[in-house]
Amino acid sequence: AQSVSQHNHHVILSEAASLELGCNYSYGGTVNLFWYVQYPGQHLQLLLKYFSGDPLVKGIKGFEAEFIKSKFSFNLRKPSVQWSDTAEYFCAVTPTGGFKTIFGAGTRLFVKA
Amino acid sequence: DTGVSQDPRHKITKRGQNVTFRCDPISEHNRLYWYRQTLGQGPEFLTYFQNEAQLEKSRLLSDRFSAERPKGSFSTLEIQRTEQGDSAMYLCASSPDLLAASYNEQFFGPGTRLTVL
Repeated sequence: AQSVSQHNHHVILSEAASLELGCNYSYGGTVNLFWYVQYPGQHLQLLLKYFSGDPLVKGIKGFEAEFIKSKFSFNLRKPSVQWSDTAEYFCAVTPTGGFKTIFGAGTRLFVKA
Repeated sequence: DTGVSQDPRHKITKRGQNVTFRCDPISEHNRLYWYRQTLGQGPEFLTYFQNEAQLEKSRLLSDRFSAERPKGSFSTLEIQRTEQGDSAMYLCASSPDLLAASYNEQFFGPGTRLTVL
């Protein structure tokens, strides 16, 4: 069965610290990978996505993620976080050609000003 | 606002009652998804529509749960004989028909929070 695992449920950082959120998935075939973010009081929205090609993808607001196929991982990174990055981050996987998207449990990030 | 809308935003009901939620996707989006999200978890897939056709559904969407999209526009999710375990946020998302479904970003609505007493 497909599954997505996010390693950290809660992360607290100070402004300007670097961020890395782990995501591992379990699926035997090719997948499309996503990171979604939910800011306080707002809807879920796309941060970035990977389909093929360069395994390092860049998204909005300075975020990037690296797909490592051999490790079934798609970790999210940002070199220097801001207070406005306080949000909940979800990793998601859809089998290529499929419809069913599997989300991880989410990581709540709190950035101290 | 041209985003995904959901109605109602909050619903409190007593155990055993039926409830129905509505989702209006972004107007040009042919694809529509329903998810359920409980505290501390990510969204859990319930079902997917391509226009009016329901192409995939979770095993959760059987028995007491049903979803429809009769004209390929808005969609409804009905829960019959609600149980306390049904308390959750019910999310709707839509996506365009530009690429194969798995490649598209999903646009989420604000959700309907259901509380079953």
